[in-house]
Amino acid sequence: GAVVSQHPSRVICKSGTSVKIECRSLDFQATTMFWYRQFPKQSLMLMATSNEGSKATYEQGVEKDKFLINHASLTLSTLTVTSAHPEDSSFYICSAGGFTDTQYFGPGTRLTVL
Amino acid sequence: GIQVEQSPPDLILQEGANSTLRCNFSDSVNNLQWFHQNPWGQLINLFYIPSGTKQNGRLSATTVATERYSLLYISSSQTTDSGVYFCAVGTGTASKLTFGTGTRLQVTL
Repeated sequence: GAVVSQHPSRVICKSGTSVKIECRSLDFQATTMFWYRQFPKQSLMLMATSNEGSKATYEQGVEKDKFLINHASLTLSTLTVTSAHPEDSSFYICSAGGFTDTQYFGPGTRLTVL
Repeated sequence: GIQVEQSPPDLILQEGANSTLRCNFSDSVNNLQWFHQNPWGQLINLFYIPSGTKQNGRLSATTVATERYSLLYISSSQTTDSGVYFCAVGTGTASKLTFGTGTRLQVTL
């Protein structure tokens, strides 16, 4: 149980385009989902917290207009990187929680912006 | 915000050896989890352990909340244990986690 999927697993895009990443909880309802970013050989940094049906809460320094988060249902959250630039290239990981304090993580999405 | 430091940053072991990884945190927490990030990037839950001791096979963990540290023990290490081990802590009621700096483990034959 407690499986979280992400799609796509890998994406390469041109500078200036937008990319959408989906995060799904497959076998449980996630009242809260989290989005993290991880640069090579670094730790995970929380970008934002999203609760189903309400606006996401962004961490300090994260541009909410650049990283659009939607949590429209209890099983789906999306992160859209708008007008992506090479410095946005990173490993994006979502997690889901809701029934306990434990968070379950998706497999991650590797974004490369050319 | 809370600071989470892990040691050692890097560790190389021969298969079969034992190891202890440490996680120090700077403030009181009500949530502490250990994760293993495999070479493909997937984070795997190891323990939810805000206090006390737990064991799961060759792994065990102890958190001493009053002294603000947690330990992860790996016994009889295997090459599949390679990867990065993170502890992550939470405070308050928002369920947010702050990740530690990580310990990169390589187990060799």
